[in-house]
Amino acid sequence: LAKTTQPISMDSYEGQEVNITCSHNNIATNDYITWYQQFPSQGPRFIIQGYKTKVTNEVASLFIPADRKSSTLSLPRVSLSDTAVYYCLVAPQGNQGGKLIFGQGTELSVKP
Amino acid sequence: NAGVTQTPKFQVLKTGQSMTLQCAQDMNHEYMSWYRQDPGMGLRLIHYSVGAGITDQGEVPNGYNVSRSTTEDFPLRLLSAAPSQTSVYFCASSLQENQPQHFGDGTRLSIL
Repeated sequence: LAKTTQPISMDSYEGQEVNITCSHNNIATNDYITWYQQFPSQGPRFIIQGYKTKVTNEVASLFIPADRKSSTLSLPRVSLSDTAVYYCLVAPQGNQGGKLIFGQGTELSVKP
Repeated sequence: NAGVTQTPKFQVLKTGQSMTLQCAQDMNHEYMSWYRQDPGMGLRLIHYSVGAGITDQGEVPNGYNVSRSTTEDFPLRLLSAAPSQTSVYFCASSLQENQPQHFGDGTRLSIL
């Protein structure tokens, strides 16, 4: 499976847009990119998934360039409650007997 | 709809004791997995299963056993607990391995 690299931590202020970039240079043709959010003392929660270009839902946007070697999670107008760890995963679609590997994630701290 | 249920929520063991962490899901998901999370670190995959009767090792399988006799249940067994296994354990399930993972609330395990 493709290895991912993310910044260890990021700081932001309330109301700002936050962009977290994930590098996945060895992404395979059938791999999808998925982002999770984890609050303290809770299990991770799915945020968004995409394959190419741009995906948007009510929580975030995911931007994937044409070469797909990186992706950017965009959180619009963050609030204190967006303080969490964000994980980027890359894995193939379907059940191919692979392992879903969570990296160390990016710890986002939103300040007032 | 219960989702993913983990029991117990907390457990203290003595070195050398054995125990089973329970995980059950009621969503008819094929893919199930166990992770451990140590303070300040991301999740590390212990074991996973792509369906009943099929299990495989993750990144850190030593000291743990799993079985998958039914689609619903995926118990994790510690054969002889060691202090290094003190951690928070998360169970997750999904329809297929790259579909959004649903996580349980975790089991906080301390080994003295």
